[in-house]
Amino acid sequence: GAGVSQSPSNKVTEKGKDVELRCDPISGHTALYWYRQSLGQGLEFLIYFQGNSAPDKSGLPSDRFSAERTGGSVSTLTIQRTQQEDSAVYLCASSLVLAGAPTSSGANVLTFGAGSRLTVL
Amino acid sequence: AQSVTQPDIHITVSEGASLELRCNYSYGATPYLFWYVQSPGQGLQLLLKYFSGDTLVQGIKGFEAEFKRSQSSFNLRKPSVHWSDAAEYFCAVGAINDYKLSFGAGTTVTVRA
Repeated sequence: GAGVSQSPSNKVTEKGKDVELRCDPISGHTALYWYRQSLGQGLEFLIYFQGNSAPDKSGLPSDRFSAERTGGSVSTLTIQRTQQEDSAVYLCASSLVLAGAPTSSGANVLTFGAGSRLTVL
Repeated sequence: AQSVTQPDIHITVSEGASLELRCNYSYGATPYLFWYVQSPGQGLQLLLKYFSGDTLVQGIKGFEAEFKRSQSSFNLRKPSVHWSDAAEYFCAVGAINDYKLSFGAGTTVTVRA
């Protein structure tokens, strides 16, 4: 697509429920990132994908968080047994190549979606 | 590990006045540097980037930033702000062969008439 699409844009859930957040990256972008933005905070890195592979999951806050990417395209971030501290905006970004790939062309520049705002009551 | 500091949480500026947002980073390697802007309810939009070469970079919407290696800074400037520049601004740092960007906490800019 023309941009990075995220759904839902807004999700209100009850504590203890599971939620799934979806990210549809720009077509052809091999790298995909998830960040979390809490109120008054910067962006917290959660996980990245190179193709379908997630080499480093250490940024995920707890084992309640998981993410997958299929077909080198759509990614889903799943939060199980949600807690109130999970309330935040979850941002997805994609890029042609990984952020640290040596390039001067801008192929490693991240394009962000509008985010999914999660509220846990 | 790299870190990014944006010392100013909130800046208020009059329309037509100049704006400077500070960004300091800590990283051992030659950094890639970015400024993003986020309007309410929107995702982050890239304003400008620095990879190498000329240390003064021009971006969209009349913004520019200067990379100063000796000061580990990448400050964002605009000579004359418009009401539409009211937003939150994020500085980000990456580096060659490092797979992620690290972001500062952001600076909120309010523009008064």
